[in-house]
Order: sequence, then C-alpha cells, then structure tokens
Amino acid sequence: QQQVKQSPQSLIVQKGGISIINCAYENTAFDYFPWYQQFPGKGPALLIAIRPDVSEKKEGRFTISFNKSAKQFSLHIMDSQPGDSATYFCAASFSGNTPLVFGKGTRLSVIA
Amino acid sequence: DAGVIQSPRHEVTEMGQEVTLRCKPISGHNSLFWYRQTMMRGLELLIYFNNNVPIDDSGMPEDRFSAKMPNASFSTLKIQPSEPRDSAVYFCASSFGQGNYNSPLHFGNGTRLTVT
Repeated sequence: QQQVKQSPQSLIVQKGGISIINCAYENTAFDYFPWYQQFPGKGPALLIAIRPDVSEKKEGRFTISFNKSAKQFSLHIMDSQPGDSATYFCAASFSGNTPLVFGKGTRLSVIA
Repeated sequence: DAGVIQSPRHEVTEMGQEVTLRCKPISGHNSLFWYRQTMMRGLELLIYFNNNVPIDDSGMPEDRFSAKMPNASFSTLKIQPSEPRDSAVYFCASSFGQGNYNSPLHFGNGTRLTVT
C-alpha cells in the first residue's frame, strides 16, 4: 500500500512536444502528490505539487493532472525543451504523518 | 539559505572500510531524511529523524548501517564495514514536518559512494 508506480522508465520527446509521465498509487490516505526534478550530479528538487481536492494544477509549462477515483496522477510538460532533460520522480504521502514515498523515476530526454 | 549541505561529494573506499557521510540540514527544519538512490531501486528511504530523534529506521538495509543526529544541525550515516553493493548515491533531505504542501522536502546534492 506504500508503493507509487511510475511509468515510463525513460522517455524521448522532440523539442516542442508534450512529455507525459504517469504515476499510480494504492494508499487512499495519501493527500500530497509532488513531482521532483533531478539533473545529473544534483539532488531532486521540487517541481510542482498537488492536493487531491483539485483535478489539475498548472505552473508555466508544467501541469499535474489528478484522478482520485483511478488513484493516478500525471505530469505533463508542454513545449518540451532540451533544458527539461532530467529525471523526474513522482511521490506521495499522507502529509504530516508519513514521509514521502517515491516512484522509481523517469529519465526524460528532449532532443532538438 | 545555503540549502542542505552534504559531504563528501564523492567517496571511494575499499571493501571492509568504514564510511561516514555527513549532512547539515536547512536551519529551522526539524525533520531529516537519509535516502539511497540506485538505478535498480530508485530512491529508497533509509531512516528519518524528527527533532533529532530517529523515528523509523526500517529502511536501513543491515546492521552495518547506522545513523545519528546529535543536534539539529548535523547528522551522520555510517557504514561499517562497507561492501561493493553499498555503492550508490546517498541523499540527505530536510523539511519542517514530514514534507508536505506547505513545507516541501529539500535535498542536498548527495554523496556518490563507490566501494571497490
């Protein structure tokens, strides 16, 4: 029940295209769903996060879509750029009660 | 705000040697987490502290691993004796609380450990 399953493991997208990364969770008590971005040689950094009381959150080119009934959430990167090439992690927790559980990550490559 | 500071950035050691990784969390944060990152297993939580007290060490792989937090501004992760399968990137992270919408988790840049 503590797992977060992330797909795909790797993704190659053309510059200007849309990158989509999916995550599924099992624990219905989870109420905090962040996405972290990691560049080589750096630690993961918070990119965007959502609470389950909304179905979508958008920050610039990055959007989280959340489907509570399906227990799934996804990250969409619009107009993908080579600078977006990084590893992306989804995560989930019951905020204030449990530490974050991370997906295994998606390595995104945006090619020109 | 200097962020979470980890040292060393890289550590190469021989099997059987003791390894100590260090972490300075962000000032004011009361929770500290140690994660291990490998290609096969992704980011695994090893142990976390709240107000300097270890709360859950169920992720520590073996008795060879130990962690301490003697004060609010310093933590260590020790491996003794080290083995080649311990080779990974070890991250320290801190937050206020468990890491939530209002106080997200902040990671250091990690220590890349290689055990030969």
